[in-house]
Amino acid sequence: GENVEQHPSTLSVQEGDSAVIKCTYSDSASNYFPWYKQELGKRPQLIIDIRSNVGEKKDQRIAVTLNKTAKHFSLHITETQPEDSAVYFCAASISGANNLFFGTGTRLTVIP
Amino acid sequence: SQTIHQWPATLVQPVGSPLSLECTVEGTSNPNLYWYRQAAGRGLQLLFYSVGIGQISSEVPQNLSASRPQDRQFILSSKKLLLSDSGFYLCAWSDGLGYTFGSGTRLTVV
Repeated sequence: GENVEQHPSTLSVQEGDSAVIKCTYSDSASNYFPWYKQELGKRPQLIIDIRSNVGEKKDQRIAVTLNKTAKHFSLHITETQPEDSAVYFCAASISGANNLFFGTGTRLTVIP
Repeated sequence: SQTIHQWPATLVQPVGSPLSLECTVEGTSNPNLYWYRQAAGRGLQLLFYSVGIGQISSEVPQNLSASRPQDRQFILSSKKLLLSDSGFYLCAWSDGLGYTFGSGTRLTVV
């Protein structure tokens, strides 16, 4: 199946700064790339997603970019707030929002 | 609206005991269903997925099995638990437009 790599594994930023998390994928046929946020002990929640026919998508303070040639995509969070602290997972799929393969997660800590 | 129920929320089981985790979905028909495991401090590993009743695909060889006896019911089982089976188990469903996760089961094998 698809192999998704994610880095960094941990990230600490000062409140108000930006955070960037990067993922690479192995299968060039992948066409759907969601990002999930998981707070401690809770279920992952979708925060943003992008499909392969789009290079960038933005939703308020969150944006995702996709480089199909290089097979990597990134999550950008601007003006970080303490409530952004969580584990973030990227994922990829070759069949739309089915059979997602996840990265290993990034623990983001926003320091007030 | 669609909802997904997963239980129990926590479970402590001795090594060698059986396991049964259940997941049910409401408000949708013929969903794709998934079981993921999240080991402590690690990512989400896809264990099983099902595209229909009785249809189970396994992503990794392991001590676990899955069954889908009804369209909206997905069960994760083991005959004999190992210490390495400890983790956070998440059920999820998809209609091709997005994933929704259950609330998870934290399994501790002692």
